[in-house]
Amino acid sequence: AQSVTQLDSQVPVFEEAPVELRCNYSSSVSVYLFWYVQYPNQGLQLLLKYLSGSTLVESINGFEAEFNKSQTSFHLRKPSVHISDTAEYFCAVKNGSSNTGKLIFGQGTTLQVKP
Amino acid sequence: DGGITQSPKYLFRKEGQNVTLSCEQNLNHDAMYWYRQDPGQGLRLIYYSQIVNDFQKGDIAEGYSVSREKKESFPLTVTSAQKNPTAFYLCASSPSPQANQPQHFGDGTRLSIL
Repeated sequence: AQSVTQLDSQVPVFEEAPVELRCNYSSSVSVYLFWYVQYPNQGLQLLLKYLSGSTLVESINGFEAEFNKSQTSFHLRKPSVHISDTAEYFCAVKNGSSNTGKLIFGQGTTLQVKP
Repeated sequence: DGGITQSPKYLFRKEGQNVTLSCEQNLNHDAMYWYRQDPGQGLRLIYYSQIVNDFQKGDIAEGYSVSREKKESFPLTVTSAQKNPTAFYLCASSPSPQANQPQHFGDGTRLSIL
């Protein structure tokens, strides 16, 4: 069965420093990959997605993620973080052959940006 | 604005009581989902519905029930059979069940035991 592993449960970082949140998934013939962000007591917001095409995908607020098929990874990066980026981040995957739309989530990574 | 509305935001359940969480969407989406979120465990799928009048069990359906009588509504009932119901419950929808469709989430309901 498909699974997703987020390698760090918490990532503390100082403001304006770069950050990488790691995500690995179990191998599949084809997958669709997503990063969601969750602020306290709120639902999940889609940050970015990889469906096909360029392996580097970007969000409007400076995050980017790269699909690496050989390493089955989809790490999230930002070159300079802000206090407002403090949140929990979830990596999720769907099997490309799925007709149920079922999302498999990682355990989440809490990004703590310090001043 | 289109979106997903979950209510109530906070809910308390007494022992032996059934409670129902509401989820309404005005996005005209066919597929709807219920997830349970516990600290450090990510989100786990409870039930999903690909179309009106149809639904399937997810990974942790025991102690829960759903209905899908209208396209825009997908209520979740937490029954007394669910022995550990304290969690954050999230409803989601997508235009269709196709794998390349992202899911949109509501703001959640936090359920606690009295």
